[in-house]
Amino acid sequence: AQSVAQPEDQVNVAEGNPLTVKCTYSVSGNPYLFWYVQYPNRGLQFLLKYITGDNLVKGSYGFEAEFNKSQTSFHLKKPSALVSDSALYFCSGGGSQGNLIFGKGTKLSVKP
Amino acid sequence: EAGVTQSPTHLIKTRGQQVTLRCSPISGHTSVYWYQQALGLGLQFLLWYDEGEERNRGNFPPRFSGRQFPNYSSELNVNALELEDSALYLCASSFESGQAFSYEQYFGPGTRLTVT
Repeated sequence: AQSVAQPEDQVNVAEGNPLTVKCTYSVSGNPYLFWYVQYPNRGLQFLLKYITGDNLVKGSYGFEAEFNKSQTSFHLKKPSALVSDSALYFCSGGGSQGNLIFGKGTKLSVKP
Repeated sequence: EAGVTQSPTHLIKTRGQQVTLRCSPISGHTSVYWYQQALGLGLQFLLWYDEGEERNRGNFPPRFSGRQFPNYSSELNVNALELEDSALYLCASSFESGQAFSYEQYFGPGTRLTVT
């Protein structure tokens, strides 16, 4: 069965420190992987995606993600966290079966 | 450029009633997706419409249905409402998704449905 997992419900980071939000996947065929961010009372906003090509994908607001096929992971990273990065982050993946699956979300809290 | 719009913003219904939610995609987008975001359950895929046809549906009962109009706007209908249908319903749009979700999706602000 296809799945996307975000093993951490919450990640706490100090402002200025690097952040990582983890995601692992299990989808059939070549995976299409995405990261979205949701601010309170707002819809989701697209951050970045991996379809094919370079394993390191750069996205909006200084975020990047590394696709690792052997570890079936697609972790979201940022070199220096901002308080304004505090939000709910969703990893999602789709495969050849035409389903799109979202992880349960990770709440990122960046403290000054 | 206008984003994805949804109406209404909030709804309160009683158990057993029926509800219709509406979504207008970004201009040029032909695919519309519906998701349910219930507390503690994350984002659950409901339905995908493209070019007026239902392309795929998630693991939801048949009382969840919808349609896509020639102008690519979409409706989500939920019949015989149950308490557990209380959730934020999100609509998203993207360019034609012939490659099975290879395009990023743009989300509307959602409709908050409360069933009492």
